[in-house]
Amino acid sequence: AQTVTQSQPEMSVQEAETVTLSCTYDTSESDYYLFWYKQPPSRQMILVIRQEAYKQQNATENRFSVNFQKAAKSFSLKISDSQLGDAAMYFCAYFGNEKLTFGTGTRLTIIP
Amino acid sequence: GAVVSQHPSRVICKSGTSVKIECRSLDFQATTMFWYRQFPKQSLMLMATSNEGSKATYEQGVEKDKFLINHASLTLSTLTVTSAHPEDSSFYICSARAAGGFSGANVLTFGAGSRLTVL
Repeated sequence: AQTVTQSQPEMSVQEAETVTLSCTYDTSESDYYLFWYKQPPSRQMILVIRQEAYKQQNATENRFSVNFQKAAKSFSLKISDSQLGDAAMYFCAYFGNEKLTFGTGTRLTIIP
Repeated sequence: GAVVSQHPSRVICKSGTSVKIECRSLDFQATTMFWYRQFPKQSLMLMATSNEGSKATYEQGVEKDKFLINHASLTLSTLTVTSAHPEDSSFYICSARAAGGFSGANVLTFGAGSRLTVL
């Protein structure tokens, strides 16, 4: 079974600074997708960024970028120029074999 | 963009009654829908996967007779919690995707969730 590990239960960052959230996963598949989702207090899941495993180029979406290391099965999220609205739970997720598996989440706090 | 509507957002019921939660894809055809359960301050746990017109596939440990899932059309899936008990109280979230890979606009879209409280 696929597993997703987020080793940082909580992280904090000063506003306007950069923070990196870690994620590792375990799989025997070669074709899959990776995602980072944000869950604010409203609990609505919001897609932050996605990465196809067959693409070597790291995905970027404005202030959000990933460092995808396929061989190491690592998929970290970098948030640049952190804003107060970035405060939320962040979940790393793996999609393969028609299932989406979530990590345990990292609670990100933005310090004004 | 793709929108998934989940209803009701909150429901309170008495122990022993059944509760139905609906998940609708509003502007796309959802060939697959997923149902998750989330306990406070925890991650989302996949309960089952449903494909339109076929029986749902349940994850290990999820009681299929307790959590009935129906995916009768390409835009609607329902989760019925039968004979609910206080331990079934939780936050239930659905997500839906169209056929094909996750390219372009085709993503997994989540409903806003349903908070179930069983008294």
